[in-house]
Amino acid sequence: AAGVIQSPRHLIKEKRETATLKCYPIPRHDTVYWYQQGPGQDPQFLISFYEKMQSDKGSIPDRFSAQQFSDYHSELNMSSLELGDSALYFCASSFSGNTYGYTFGSGTRLTVV
Amino acid sequence: SQQGEEDPQALSIQEGENATMNCSYKTSINNLQWYRQNSGRGLVHLILIRSNEREKHSGRLRVTLDTSKKSSSLLITASRAADTASYFCATDWNTGNQFYFGTGTSLTVIP
Repeated sequence: AAGVIQSPRHLIKEKRETATLKCYPIPRHDTVYWYQQGPGQDPQFLISFYEKMQSDKGSIPDRFSAQQFSDYHSELNMSSLELGDSALYFCASSFSGNTYGYTFGSGTRLTVV
Repeated sequence: SQQGEEDPQALSIQEGENATMNCSYKTSINNLQWYRQNSGRGLVHLILIRSNEREKHSGRLRVTLDTSKKSSSLLITASRAADTASYFCATDWNTGNQFYFGTGTSLTVIP
């Protein structure tokens, strides 16, 4: 069965650079969530989209922005990268109204040097 | 904070033993879920328990929920080395369907 696809798997950027992470949800899933997990930390909710509109916002820095496109894939844009942005970024998808667990992607490991 | 807190933070047991992890949360919830995460990997959904349920089973997993105490427990029976991972509980709010994760329990099962 198709899963949530995230790209790239690994990304190394320098401070003050920009990074774009992509998430392709499971087919027919219309809701996408982004989480950030720092080293040894629990996943923190960043932002979510339902039917291409932002549905909820968590602890997402102003330097980050995200959107969901017409094909339901989502991109997380991160500008003016800081060392503290180094983390594992997870995307999850679900079908609206489905209260069962999300399906998570394998994550993108971002390292800022 | 709505975030759940797992207890213990780390647990080390011998293969074949049972492992019990606890999660406490602070506000009313609709659902509570348990996830597993192998080191540096994605989160895998294990089991969901609704606020009106008290116990659920899935294979070697048993989850209980006590809404009066705002706590849940995950029991893994007959543990295996492959169960070594971090286990997180995640709770939702009444509005929206985002989940808040707790700090996780790191389980090590020694062969």
